Amino acid sequence: DQQVKQNSPSLSVQEGRISILNCDYTNSMFDYFLWYKKYPAEGPTFLISISSIKDKNEDGRFTVFLNKSAKHLSLHIVPSQPGDSAVYFCAAKYYGGSQGNLIFGKGTKLSVKP
Amino acid sequence: KAGVTQTPRYLIKTRGQQVTLSCSPISGHRSVSWYQQTPGQGLQFLFEYFSETQRNKGNFPGRFSGRQFSNSRSEMNVSTLELGDSALYLCASSSSKQGANNSPLHFGNGTRLTVT
Repeated sequence: DQQVKQNSPSLSVQEGRISILNCDYTNSMFDYFLWYKKYPAEGPTFLISISSIKDKNEDGRFTVFLNKSAKHLSLHIVPSQPGDSAVYFCAAKYYGGSQGNLIFGKGTKLSVKP
Repeated sequence: KAGVTQTPRYLIKTRGQQVTLSCSPISGHRSVSWYQQTPGQGLQFLFEYFSETQRNKGNFPGRFSGRQFSNSRSEMNVSTLELGDSALYLCASSSSKQGANNSPLHFGNGTRLTVT
């Protein structure tokens, strides 16, 4: 049973526009959420995170929104650039759990077209 | 700081053999985790080590094992390889202790294991 779901396997966006990647979770015991970006033949790279006590966290072009009542988080990339083309994973950590044990979604492949 | 280093990058093994993968965490990081990535299942947690002790284990058979050394370097071993073990094996390190302030995992580039 998937506890972290990324329902869109792929997303295509025009350069300069906003990219919105979505993630749903089922376990209310998650207290920390992260987004990773992965290029082919490389490991995932940490992008941005958010604690469950917040509803928004921003870092440059990247903003993560958390809606706890809906058990939903989203990653906004503004403006999107061709170099953002990659697979994006959301991940979650259990309350009181260790940093090393994350539950990952299956990823969304983002294509940013020039 | 150097990132997480995994060796080798690629491995080809035959069914029934065993394999050992190596990981050097970011300097100062004491937590090392291993994940398996396959196209169908995504990233799945194998186990985590902290101060040479396994503190969490995922839902994998006993053929998958690991250890951590006093310098925080880690190895994982897979015995009696099966075709389904073909995957990208990722190592990640973190600076934080269990339950403490959240900090992200930092991943290496992985070892691509192919079992024939």
